[in-house]
Amino acid sequence: DVKVTQSSRYLVKRTGEKVFLECVQDMDHENMFWYRQDPGLGLRLIYFSYDVKMKEKGDIPEGYSVSREKKERFSLILESASTNQTSMYLCATTTSTDTQYFGPGTRLTVL
Amino acid sequence: AQSVSQHNHHVILSEAASLELGCNYSYGGTVNLFWYVQYPGQHLQLLLKYFSGDPLVKGIKGFEAEFIKSKFSFNLRKPSVQWSDTAEYFCAVNWPPSGGYNKLIFGAGTRLAVHP
Repeated sequence: DVKVTQSSRYLVKRTGEKVFLECVQDMDHENMFWYRQDPGLGLRLIYFSYDVKMKEKGDIPEGYSVSREKKERFSLILESASTNQTSMYLCATTTSTDTQYFGPGTRLTVL
Repeated sequence: AQSVSQHNHHVILSEAASLELGCNYSYGGTVNLFWYVQYPGQHLQLLLKYFSGDPLVKGIKGFEAEFIKSKFSFNLRKPSVQWSDTAEYFCAVNWPPSGGYNKLIFGAGTRLAVHP
């Protein structure tokens, strides 16, 4: 089974803090994705990566950056957290032709 | 722009009722189609997928979906729901090659509540 883990299930941060969310997969998949999930909006793509050190903006990249230094690890960074970034963050991984597999999510609250 | 629409945001059913959740996508060409489910407190997981072949696809837990190319639709069905089907359901579409990155566009989701 594909295993996708995320560093925290719940996180509470203050406005202006730098926040790191980490995702690790064990299947040697080349593609990794970060989404945010909000009620009534479904999942929206923030960034994705198709190889080590390679990244592409998704639909809502503003206020976020990413890092992929190793194939199995994809980090989402909130440079200066704001209250409108309070959300559920989901990581997913896939090959170029397969289904996307999701991690358990991190529920981030920014106060 | 590519988009995916789910017609019902909230659905309430009694056990044993039949279920149909609508999903439409914005334009044609070759598509890969997915339904994902998120049970309360759990991971998003795949219910079923369509890549090619028979447009009637069967998934886990008695779910099925039908791809109708002329209607740009991929509706999810289950003949008799159970309380354990209470969850949020997401339709997702991939338009290959999309750069080969296998990007998905998700619908807004449908929350299903099944009452005993």
